[in-house]
Amino acid sequence: SAVISQKPSRDICQRGTSLTIQCQVDSQVTMMFWYRQQPGQSLTLIATANQGSEATYESGFVIDKFPISRPNLTFSTLTVSNMSPEDSSIYLCSGLDPSLADTQYFGPGTRLTVL
Amino acid sequence: AQSVTQLGSHVSVSEGALVLLRCNYSSSVPPYLFWYVQYPNQGLQLLLKYTSAATLVKGINGFEAEFKKSETSFHLTKPSAHMSDAAEYFCAVSGATGFQKLVFGTGTRLLVSP
Repeated sequence: SAVISQKPSRDICQRGTSLTIQCQVDSQVTMMFWYRQQPGQSLTLIATANQGSEATYESGFVIDKFPISRPNLTFSTLTVSNMSPEDSSIYLCSGLDPSLADTQYFGPGTRLTVL
Repeated sequence: AQSVTQLGSHVSVSEGALVLLRCNYSSSVPPYLFWYVQYPNQGLQLLLKYTSAATLVKGINGFEAEFKKSETSFHLTKPSAHMSDAAEYFCAVSGATGFQKLVFGTGTRLLVSP
């Protein structure tokens, strides 16, 4: 299975600033995704990161707030822009392993606190 | 469209007791079903999955789940709980036709007492 790492693992940020989260996969994956897990809640899909093109966003999420890049098959970034305390969450990336095309594997998450 | 309902936000068991975490799904297409575990301050780890092969699926750490189409259920069980099983468990569903999004339940926190 694909092994996924994220940086940073956690951060504390001031409101109005932006944070970029990196996601690295150890092997090529067909699709990559970004999720948000608000405190005490389940995971919500933010967007699908598409290689070399604009990400596909879910309802309620917009590119200006959560710009995403995926320059190649093993790397993606999510930026949380103009942060407010409501953005305090765990952000997780996942990848779809082509050898197990039906299964998503997740990174360890980035725990973001906005003051 | 798919959805998942996990009954019970918290389940408490004693060490050595049976673990039963409930998951019911709704899907307009044949589903794939998953159980993920999240230990404190960690990401999600795949426990097991159902992808239209055997209806009784065995996973890691002694867990198993049975797909019951007639009951639209995919409950997670383990015969004997260990203290190390204390974690958050998420049931998730996706469609089996091509790639479809993974939809998560609200999670069940398993508490294991000595």
